Amino acid sequence: NAGVTQTPKFRILKIGQSMTLQCTQDMNHNYMYWYRQDPGMGLKLIYYSVGAGITDKGEVPNGYNVSRSTTEDFPLRLELAAPSQTSVYFCASTLEGRPTQYFGPGTRLLVL
Amino acid sequence: GQQLNQSPQSMFIQEGEDVSMNCTSSSIFNTWLWYKQDPGEGPVLLIALYKAGELTSNGRLTAQFGITRKDSFLNISASIPSDVGIYFCAGQPRGSGGTSYGKLTFGQGTILTVHP
Repeated sequence: NAGVTQTPKFRILKIGQSMTLQCTQDMNHNYMYWYRQDPGMGLKLIYYSVGAGITDKGEVPNGYNVSRSTTEDFPLRLELAAPSQTSVYFCASTLEGRPTQYFGPGTRLLVL
Repeated sequence: GQQLNQSPQSMFIQEGEDVSMNCTSSSIFNTWLWYKQDPGEGPVLLIALYKAGELTSNGRLTAQFGITRKDSFLNISASIPSDVGIYFCAGQPRGSGGTSYGKLTFGQGTILTVHP
């Protein structure tokens, strides 16, 4: 049982490039979340999903897109990378009705 | 949106000392959670609190759900070097549950440094 896994661990992008951050969970959790963490700012919710085919915006969705075609996977897409998207990105999951979210190890993204 | 104010922002302590940190909100929360983040890792759940006044322990860690439901406290006793990391509080607002889809509000974090 690997829990929540994320790839890649680290990536450098040039301004305007695109990439997909991968997130997979093997706990059969229906709820999944994407956060970004900036120094001294805590965790900000980007997008979330309550099940396959259902996604919604969080607090800071601009510049990102998501999809949820399966229960296990919840990729985050950056279409036109900007320096403001330099951050650490965390994926998390939980069961419906449970507030206790479980986090992946994070993806560190640097946009130059 | 709702905000959680977590304090202190950072702490530098000697090994063996006790640590206290807290989290406050302007609105009522149904659930309070405390997470720890080790350097280069994702947050890991330490303690979950579900009722006002609840006091819960996990080894040397003790957390309390404030009576007003607007605050929570975390204490670490007899700190050791591996307690180093960032501690986050998180809350789920009142009136949520299924309608909030499990969304949490996070504090800014308390950075803990323990000197041997």
